[in-house]
Amino acid sequence: GQNIDQPTEMTATEGAIVQINCTYQTSGFNGLFWYQQHAGEAPTFLSYNVLDGLEEKGRFSSFLSRSKGYSYLLLKELQMKDSASYLCAVSEAAGNKLTFGGGTRVLVKP
Amino acid sequence: DVKVTQSSRYLVKRTGEKVFLECVQDMDHENMFWYRQDPGLGLRLIYFSYDVKMKEKGDIPEGYSVSREKKERFSLILESASTNQTSMYLCASSLSQELTGANVLTFGAGSRLTVL
Repeated sequence: GQNIDQPTEMTATEGAIVQINCTYQTSGFNGLFWYQQHAGEAPTFLSYNVLDGLEEKGRFSSFLSRSKGYSYLLLKELQMKDSASYLCAVSEAAGNKLTFGGGTRVLVKP
Repeated sequence: DVKVTQSSRYLVKRTGEKVFLECVQDMDHENMFWYRQDPGLGLRLIYFSYDVKMKEKGDIPEGYSVSREKKERFSLILESASTNQTSMYLCASSLSQELTGANVLTFGAGSRLTVL
Protein backbone atom coordinates (compact mmCIF):
# COMPACT_ATOMS: atom_id res chain seq x y z
CA GLY A 1 0.00 0.00 0.00
CA GLN A 2 0.93 3.66 -0.18
CA ASN A 3 0.84 6.47 2.38
CA ILE A 4 0.91 10.05 1.12
CA ASP A 5 0.90 13.03 3.48
CA GLN A 6 0.49 16.72 2.82
CA PRO A 7 -0.71 19.62 4.97
CA THR A 8 -4.43 20.23 5.06
CA GLU A 9 -4.42 23.98 4.60
CA MET A 10 -2.06 26.90 3.99
CA THR A 11 -2.61 30.64 3.80
CA ALA A 12 -0.40 33.11 1.97
CA THR A 13 -0.46 36.68 0.74
CA GLU A 14 -0.81 37.78 -2.87
CA GLY A 15 2.63 38.18 -4.45
CA ALA A 16 4.32 35.88 -1.93
CA ILE A 17 5.72 32.35 -2.26
CA VAL A 18 4.19 29.20 -0.84
CA GLN A 19 5.75 25.75 -0.61
CA ILE A 20 3.49 22.69 -0.29
CA ASN A 21 5.26 19.61 0.99
CA CYS A 22 4.33 16.02 0.23
CA THR A 23 5.89 12.93 1.79
CA TYR A 24 5.21 9.41 0.64
CA GLN A 25 5.93 5.84 1.65
CA THR A 26 5.48 3.33 -1.14
CA SER A 27 6.61 -0.16 -1.98
CA GLY A 28 7.29 0.95 -5.55
CA PHE A 29 7.64 4.30 -7.29
CA ASN A 30 7.07 5.35 -10.87
CA GLY A 31 6.58 9.09 -10.63
CA LEU A 32 4.95 11.84 -8.59
CA PHE A 33 2.27 14.19 -9.86
CA TRP A 34 0.80 17.49 -8.70
CA TYR A 35 -2.73 18.51 -9.64
CA GLN A 36 -4.63 21.74 -9.02
CA GLN A 37 -8.33 21.67 -8.20
CA HIS A 38 -10.48 24.78 -7.90
CA ALA A 39 -13.61 24.44 -5.82
CA GLY A 40 -16.34 22.60 -7.70
CA GLU A 41 -14.09 21.81 -10.65
CA ALA A 42 -12.09 18.87 -11.98
CA PRO A 43 -8.44 18.44 -10.95
CA THR A 44 -6.04 19.60 -13.65
CA PHE A 45 -2.47 18.40 -14.17
CA LEU A 46 0.35 20.69 -13.03
CA SER A 47 3.59 18.71 -12.96
CA TYR A 48 5.27 15.32 -13.07
CA ASN A 49 8.59 14.29 -11.49
CA VAL A 50 10.19 10.91 -11.91
CA LEU A 51 13.86 11.84 -11.42
CA ASP A 52 15.37 13.74 -8.49
CA GLY A 53 15.56 17.48 -8.86
CA LEU A 54 13.56 20.54 -9.69
CA GLU A 55 11.15 20.96 -12.58
CA GLU A 56 10.17 24.55 -13.33
CA LYS A 57 7.11 25.65 -15.23
CA GLY A 58 6.57 29.37 -15.10
CA ARG A 59 5.46 30.42 -11.61
CA PHE A 60 5.17 26.79 -10.48
CA SER A 61 8.05 24.45 -9.66
CA SER A 62 8.08 20.91 -8.34
CA PHE A 63 10.91 19.14 -6.57
CA LEU A 64 11.50 15.44 -5.92
CA SER A 65 13.87 13.50 -3.67
CA ARG A 66 13.27 9.78 -4.13
CA SER A 67 15.68 8.75 -1.37
CA LYS A 68 13.74 10.88 1.13
CA GLY A 69 10.28 10.11 -0.22
CA TYR A 70 9.67 13.82 -0.48
CA SER A 71 8.35 16.34 -2.94
CA TYR A 72 7.27 19.95 -2.83
CA LEU A 73 5.30 22.25 -5.06
CA LEU A 74 6.48 25.85 -5.06
CA LEU A 75 4.10 28.59 -6.11
CA LYS A 76 5.75 31.96 -6.75
CA GLU A 77 4.26 35.44 -7.22
CA LEU A 78 0.98 34.22 -5.85
CA GLN A 79 -2.20 35.44 -7.49
CA MET A 80 -5.74 35.33 -6.15
CA LYS A 81 -6.62 32.74 -8.80
CA ASP A 82 -4.09 30.36 -7.21
CA SER A 83 -6.53 29.81 -4.34
CA ALA A 84 -7.32 26.13 -4.84
CA SER A 85 -6.56 22.66 -3.54
CA TYR A 86 -3.27 21.09 -4.59
CA LEU A 87 -3.18 17.31 -4.82
CA CYS A 88 -0.03 15.20 -4.57
CA ALA A 89 -0.28 11.78 -6.24
CA VAL A 90 2.12 8.88 -6.65
CA SER A 91 2.20 6.31 -9.43
CA GLU A 92 2.97 2.74 -8.45
CA ALA A 93 5.78 0.93 -10.19
CA ALA A 94 3.34 -1.43 -11.83
CA GLY A 95 0.23 -0.33 -13.60
CA ASN A 96 -1.16 3.07 -14.34
CA LYS A 97 -3.19 3.99 -11.28
CA LEU A 98 -2.42 6.99 -9.08
CA THR A 99 -2.76 7.17 -5.32
CA PHE A 100 -3.59 10.64 -4.00
CA GLY A 101 -2.84 12.46 -0.79
CA GLY A 102 -5.61 14.30 1.01
CA GLY A 103 -4.90 17.58 -0.77
CA THR A 104 -3.71 20.96 0.50
CA ARG A 105 -6.12 23.86 0.38
CA VAL A 106 -4.27 27.12 -0.35
CA LEU A 107 -5.95 30.41 0.42
CA VAL A 108 -4.40 33.51 -1.12
CA LYS A 109 -5.25 36.74 0.68
CA PRO A 110 -4.92 40.28 -0.70
CA ASP B 1 -10.14 20.25 -26.61
CA VAL B 2 -9.93 16.80 -25.05
CA LYS B 3 -12.79 15.89 -22.81
CA VAL B 4 -14.02 13.53 -20.16
CA THR B 5 -17.76 13.91 -19.80
CA GLN B 6 -19.77 12.67 -16.85
CA SER B 7 -23.45 12.30 -17.58
CA SER B 8 -24.88 13.78 -14.39
CA ARG B 9 -23.51 16.67 -12.37
CA TYR B 10 -25.90 16.22 -9.47
CA LEU B 11 -27.99 13.23 -8.45
CA VAL B 12 -30.23 12.53 -5.48
CA LYS B 13 -31.19 8.91 -4.84
CA ARG B 14 -32.84 6.92 -2.09
CA THR B 15 -31.26 4.17 -0.05
CA GLY B 16 -31.51 0.85 -1.89
CA GLU B 17 -31.83 2.35 -5.35
CA LYS B 18 -29.60 1.21 -8.20
CA VAL B 19 -27.43 4.06 -9.48
CA PHE B 20 -25.56 4.35 -12.77
CA LEU B 21 -22.83 6.95 -13.25
CA GLU B 22 -21.69 7.26 -16.84
CA CYS B 23 -18.37 8.55 -18.13
CA VAL B 24 -17.32 9.08 -21.75
CA GLN B 25 -13.94 10.22 -23.07
CA ASP B 26 -13.15 11.34 -26.61
CA MET B 27 -9.37 10.95 -26.47
CA ASP B 28 -9.09 7.26 -27.42
CA HIS B 29 -7.48 6.61 -24.03
CA GLU B 30 -6.85 3.02 -22.97
CA ASN B 31 -7.15 3.60 -19.21
CA MET B 32 -10.20 4.79 -17.32
CA PHE B 33 -10.70 5.29 -13.59
CA TRP B 34 -13.40 5.99 -11.04
CA TYR B 35 -12.48 7.88 -7.86
CA ARG B 36 -14.57 9.24 -5.04
CA GLN B 37 -13.59 12.43 -3.27
CA ASP B 38 -14.52 13.15 0.33
CA PRO B 39 -13.38 16.02 2.58
CA GLY B 40 -10.23 15.11 4.49
CA LEU B 41 -9.83 11.82 2.64
CA GLY B 42 -8.80 13.06 -0.78
CA LEU B 43 -9.38 11.00 -3.90
CA ARG B 44 -9.75 7.26 -3.38
CA LEU B 45 -9.69 4.80 -6.27
CA ILE B 46 -12.77 2.61 -6.65
CA TYR B 47 -12.17 0.72 -9.90
CA PHE B 48 -10.09 1.11 -13.03
CA SER B 49 -9.85 -0.42 -16.48
CA TYR B 50 -6.93 -0.86 -18.86
CA ASP B 51 -8.96 -2.00 -21.83
CA VAL B 52 -12.41 -2.88 -23.04
CA LYS B 53 -14.11 -5.53 -20.90
CA MET B 54 -11.23 -5.41 -18.40
CA LYS B 55 -11.61 -4.11 -14.86
CA GLU B 56 -9.53 -4.10 -11.71
CA LYS B 57 -10.43 -3.26 -8.14
CA GLY B 58 -9.00 -0.14 -6.63
CA ASP B 59 -8.66 0.62 -2.94
CA ILE B 60 -12.37 0.84 -2.05
CA PRO B 61 -14.40 -1.37 -4.45
CA GLU B 62 -16.95 -2.61 -1.92
CA GLY B 63 -20.51 -1.70 -2.87
CA TYR B 64 -19.55 -0.76 -6.44
CA SER B 65 -19.21 -2.46 -9.80
CA VAL B 66 -18.14 -1.19 -13.22
CA SER B 67 -18.72 -1.88 -16.88
CA ARG B 68 -16.51 -1.14 -19.89
CA GLU B 69 -18.20 -2.45 -23.02
CA LYS B 70 -16.70 0.22 -25.29
CA LYS B 71 -13.31 1.90 -25.15
CA GLU B 72 -14.75 5.38 -24.68
CA ARG B 73 -17.27 4.56 -21.95
CA PHE B 74 -16.76 3.50 -18.34
CA SER B 75 -19.77 3.12 -16.08
CA LEU B 76 -19.87 2.98 -12.29
CA ILE B 77 -22.77 1.06 -10.77
CA LEU B 78 -24.05 1.20 -7.22
CA GLU B 79 -26.23 -1.92 -6.95
CA SER B 80 -27.98 -0.75 -3.79
CA ALA B 81 -27.11 2.78 -2.79
CA SER B 82 -26.39 3.53 0.85
CA THR B 83 -26.00 6.83 2.69
CA ASN B 84 -22.24 6.30 3.12
CA GLN B 85 -21.93 6.43 -0.66
CA THR B 86 -22.92 10.10 -0.65
CA SER B 87 -19.86 11.67 -2.27
CA MET B 88 -18.32 13.40 -5.26
CA TYR B 89 -17.47 10.85 -7.95
CA LEU B 90 -14.71 11.68 -10.42
CA CYS B 91 -14.01 9.82 -13.63
CA ALA B 92 -10.60 10.07 -15.29
CA SER B 93 -8.80 8.65 -18.30
CA SER B 94 -5.19 8.35 -19.48
CA LEU B 95 -3.08 6.93 -22.24
CA SER B 96 -1.25 3.69 -21.66
CA GLN B 97 1.90 4.36 -19.64
CA GLU B 98 3.91 2.27 -22.06
CA LEU B 99 3.15 4.85 -24.73
CA THR B 100 3.69 8.04 -22.79
CA GLY B 101 5.96 7.22 -19.85
CA ALA B 102 3.74 9.28 -17.58
CA ASN B 103 0.12 8.43 -16.88
CA VAL B 104 -1.33 11.95 -16.78
CA LEU B 105 -4.99 11.73 -15.84
CA THR B 106 -7.65 13.88 -17.45
CA PHE B 107 -10.62 14.25 -15.13
CA GLY B 108 -14.30 14.83 -15.69
CA ALA B 109 -16.12 17.60 -13.83
CA GLY B 110 -17.52 15.16 -11.28
CA SER B 111 -20.92 13.79 -10.25
CA ARG B 112 -22.15 14.77 -6.83
CA LEU B 113 -24.34 11.96 -5.50
CA THR B 114 -26.55 12.35 -2.45
CA VAL B 115 -28.17 9.22 -1.04
CA LEU B 116 -31.08 9.89 1.30
